[in-house]
Amino acid sequence: EAGVAQSPRYKIIEKRQSVAFWCNPISGHATLYWYQQILGQGPKLLIQFQNNGVVDDSQLPKDRFSAERLKGVDSTLKIQPAKLEDSAVYLCASSFVREQFFGPGTRLTVL
Amino acid sequence: TQLLEQSPQFLSIQEGENLTVYCNSSSVFSSLQWYRQEPGEGPVLLVTVVTGGEVKKLKRLTFQFGDARKDSSLHITAAQPGDTGLYLCAGARSNYQLIWGAGTKLIIKP
Repeated sequence: EAGVAQSPRYKIIEKRQSVAFWCNPISGHATLYWYQQILGQGPKLLIQFQNNGVVDDSQLPKDRFSAERLKGVDSTLKIQPAKLEDSAVYLCASSFVREQFFGPGTRLTVL
Repeated sequence: TQLLEQSPQFLSIQEGENLTVYCNSSSVFSSLQWYRQEPGEGPVLLVTVVTGGEVKKLKRLTFQFGDARKDSSLHITAAQPGDTGLYLCAGARSNYQLIWGAGTKLIIKP
């Protein structure tokens, strides 16, 4: 069974630029999560989708972050414009019921 | 706000020693999960504990869920260099959303 795919793996941008991350969940997993993990901390939930609907985006900084999951499969997370404090690993996870399976993450560095 | 406190934050021990990592909260969780994360990778699920007082073993790793379902521990016997990594606990809400601890960075020296 293929795991959660994410791209790119690494991205370096300057502040105020835009960036987008892509996630392809495990086939059949209805729930998809985007997390932000800052070095030395646990993951912080940004947004949760159930199929193509948003379940929880209460911690998503909506002035600069946006996410979509068209057709209930792949998802993209966008940051526009990026700030220095957005430097982190962005993890995508999917689940069928309870257990979440994670992709390798995208390491974002904002200079 | 539900919080999960993990301790210690960092642990460096010699190969062959035993260790315990703790995960504590004032909130009750429907289940608790332990993950291990290696550099450049996402967290990988090790175990899920559901019932208060439950004990699960995974080779040299023993996981326990507190009777009140508010805390958990991970005990590693005879640690090996391959056990090195970031160990994360996560408590599940009734809607399966996870509340994460900050992690324990474990280094096992040969």
